Amino acid sequence: AQTVTQSQPEMSVQEAETVTLSCTYDTSESDYYLFWYKQPPSRQMILVIRQEAYKQQNATENRFSVNFQKAAKSFSLKISDSQLGDAAMYFCAYRSRGSGTYKYIFGTGTRLKVLA
Amino acid sequence: DGGITQSPKYLFRKEGQNVTLSCEQNLNHDAMYWYRQDPGQGLRLIYYSQIVNDFQKGDIAEGYSVSREKKESFPLTVTSAQKNPTAFYLCASSMGQGQDSNQPQHFGDGTRLSIL
Repeated sequence: AQTVTQSQPEMSVQEAETVTLSCTYDTSESDYYLFWYKQPPSRQMILVIRQEAYKQQNATENRFSVNFQKAAKSFSLKISDSQLGDAAMYFCAYRSRGSGTYKYIFGTGTRLKVLA
Repeated sequence: DGGITQSPKYLFRKEGQNVTLSCEQNLNHDAMYWYRQDPGQGLRLIYYSQIVNDFQKGDIAEGYSVSREKKESFPLTVTSAQKNPTAFYLCASSMGQGQDSNQPQHFGDGTRLSIL
């Protein structure tokens, strides 16, 4: 069974600085998708970025980018120029690409604090 | 606009009472999910459904029941057998399998359930 591990329960970053949140996963599959979600205090889950495992190029979305290391099964999220609005819980998630698989596996989350 | 609607936002349960949380989506998604989130923790899967009239247990299904009579609707009943129901409940939906499995889950705004 697949697992997703976020080893940092809490991180802090100074406003305008860069922070990296780590995520590792365990799977025997070769084709899958990875996601980062943000959950602000409103509790709404918001997609931040996604990565297809078959793509070598790291995904980027404005100030958010990932460092995807398939062999190491690592999928870290880098937030550049951190803003106060980035303060939230961040969840890493995995989904298999295989047919008949609909489950998303979530990590336990990292709480990000942004210091003014 | 397409989305997922959860109701009510807040719900209170008395001892020995069953309560039902509503989840409706107009995204034409095949799959729907229920998650439980406890304070400071990640998402734990309760049930999920891939198609109408079919659903599977997740990791913590005991004390819960679901139905999927319509594609748009996936209500969750918290039964009296669930001894610790106080939590935040999130409903989600996603597209199907194969090439659509790179699509992220879409989430509702959640229901907070408390015991009276």
